[in-house]
Amino acid sequence: EIVLTQSPGTLSLFPGERATLSCRASQSVSSSYLVWYQQKLGQAPRLLIYGASSRATGIPDRFSGSGSGTDFTLTISRLEPEDFAVYYCQQYHSSPETFGGGTRVEIK
Amino acid sequence: EVQLVESGGGLVQPGGSVRLSCAASGFTFSSYWMHWVRQAPGKGLVWVSRINGDGSDTKYADSVKGRFTISRDNAKNTLYLQMNSLRAEDTAVYYCARVVYGYLRADFWGQGTLVTVSS
Repeated sequence: EIVLTQSPGTLSLFPGERATLSCRASQSVSSSYLVWYQQKLGQAPRLLIYGASSRATGIPDRFSGSGSGTDFTLTISRLEPEDFAVYYCQQYHSSPETFGGGTRVEIK
Repeated sequence: EVQLVESGGGLVQPGGSVRLSCAASGFTFSSYWMHWVRQAPGKGLVWVSRINGDGSDTKYADSVKGRFTISRDNAKNTLYLQMNSLRAEDTAVYYCARVVYGYLRADFWGQGTLVTVSS
């Protein structure tokens, strides 16, 4: 089973600041199969990034993904009030299709 | 418009059973893999199970293998999760999600249904 470790657990930032979230895999993951989701309280997850770096439909360009192998990053260039949420990475490289533990981005 | 609507959750006693349903609309249901993902209260997302388009290929997380069964009825555009021998640790919101082939990703999710396992 591929274990995904997300860091930090919580990121406290001001609106307008840059957020950098990390997702590290216990073994190499094809970039084609690394995905990021956003989840707000009481809502279902929302697809942000797939294929490690492709934005999903309707996702603003302040969200970007990068990385390869075992190290992946989600960057939010300038935080908007609606971006404060929990972010999860997931891998589809092999079953079980594991999730990371999540990073909470909170308002400082 | 793509819609996924889960139902069937509720309060179940330990050792009991429940069947969740996920009604799909707005897309060709049989063309998509479908997944179940759960989230215990205050915790993160956990992948549970998946099924391919015609129902011939299924996978499960170790924590539910032998107790849960995923299935689908493409004529009814509905996904199911039969949950048996339920334990307190199965308490969670259960989401169904549509997975796009190619660059695999869950692009649409239902709103979730809460299963509470308690006496």
